[in-house]
Amino acid sequence: GAVVSQHPSWVICKSGTSVKIECRSLDFQATTMFWYRQFPKQSLMLMATSNEGSKATYEQGVEKDKFLINHASLTLSTLTVTSAHPEDSSFYICSASSGQATYNEQFFGPGTRLTVL
Amino acid sequence: DAKTTQPPSMDCAEGRAANLPCNHSTISGNEYVYWYRQIHSQGPQYIIHGLKNNETNEMASLIITEDRKSSTLILPHATLRDTAVYYCIVRVNSGGSNYKLTFGKGTLLTVNP
Repeated sequence: GAVVSQHPSWVICKSGTSVKIECRSLDFQATTMFWYRQFPKQSLMLMATSNEGSKATYEQGVEKDKFLINHASLTLSTLTVTSAHPEDSSFYICSASSGQATYNEQFFGPGTRLTVL
Repeated sequence: DAKTTQPPSMDCAEGRAANLPCNHSTISGNEYVYWYRQIHSQGPQYIIHGLKNNETNEMASLIITEDRKSSTLILPHATLRDTAVYYCIVRVNSGGSNYKLTFGKGTLLTVNP
């Protein structure tokens, strides 16, 4: 149980275009989803937290108009990188929490590797 | 900022126990210690968590000192597939029922044949 998927697993796009990444909880309802970014040889950095039906809460330094997060259902959250630039190239990872688990564990997706040319 | 300190790397022989230390001297009384690991280019995998008692599951054991300022993750019989970056995380309440995981740099465990 507690499987989280991401789509696509990798994407290459041209500078200036927008890219949407999907995160799905396959066997549980995720009341809260998290988006992380990981640059090469660095640790994961939390970008934002989203609760289903509410606006996402962004971490300091993360531009909410550039990284659009939608959590419209209990099994799906999307991250849209708008007007992507090469510096946005990174490994994007989502996680999901049901809020029902005893300790609100986060279950992570496999990640999406974005390369902006 | 991460509330934990871990050695950047460790080596372990295959079949032997791997003991990964973590310092969390500023942990608060109601904050849990979580361990995740990340194999290269994959999402993190949950391993174990604890508050103050020692915990064991099918993957590992977690030993937390009585003062809760440090802990040790034990992989009893390390295999080559256990080579990964191991993250020790103090889970912080970020408001209401929401919790944040702040990842530090972790420990790269290399299991050698």
